[in-house]
Amino acid sequence: NAGVTQTPKFQVLKTGQSMTLQCAQDMNHEYMSWYRQDPGMGLRLIHYSVGAGITDQGEVPNGYNVSRSTTEDFPLRLLSAAPSQTSVYFCASSYLPSGGPPNEQFFGPGTRLTVL
Amino acid sequence: AQKVTQAQTEISVVEKEDVTLDCVYETRDTTYYLFWYKQPPSGELVFLIRRNSFDEQNEISGRYSWNFQKSTSSFNFTITASQVVDSAVYFCALIASGTYKYIFGTGTRLKVLA
Repeated sequence: NAGVTQTPKFQVLKTGQSMTLQCAQDMNHEYMSWYRQDPGMGLRLIHYSVGAGITDQGEVPNGYNVSRSTTEDFPLRLLSAAPSQTSVYFCASSYLPSGGPPNEQFFGPGTRLTVL
Repeated sequence: AQKVTQAQTEISVVEKEDVTLDCVYETRDTTYYLFWYKQPPSGELVFLIRRNSFDEQNEISGRYSWNFQKSTSSFNFTITASQVVDSAVYFCALIASGTYKYIFGTGTRLKVLA
């Protein structure tokens, strides 16, 4: 099993450009999420999904869109990149028990994004 | 509102010393889950432990142990006889039953010096 994969590993954008960060998992997990990690701020939840076709906002959703057309894939779109979106982005997935919160998360290797 | 506080930003110890990483949480929910994750210098995030709010038993796994105390809303992590390979950033996290939003602390950077 590949686990959670993310592409690209590194990306440099100019202000105003758009791009999509890819995330895929092969564990058949219903729950998937996106975080950004900034120095001194820990991991902050951007968006999450509890299954195909179901997404919701996390703590810092502004400037980002997501969709979940399949169980495996959960791409994150930056609509118009800004320097404040310079960060390391992590995708994660976990098993979602019936009626309960998600279990422990499996994380991808991260994408380091720089916006100039 | 839910919150996780890791007040220790950075800790340095000498190899073989014991070290405790503090985690204090806030939640009004009676059912919740607490986690610890490790982020070594290579950058990946690795799951260490999950605890539910009804299980206050301490847990030991090799050199790692966790102390969960609901009375003080704390879930502290102790590394016994630390090793250089323990050098990493450690994150504590919380999720309440009925929600889908994990709350992470800001992390504690542990440096173990040879």
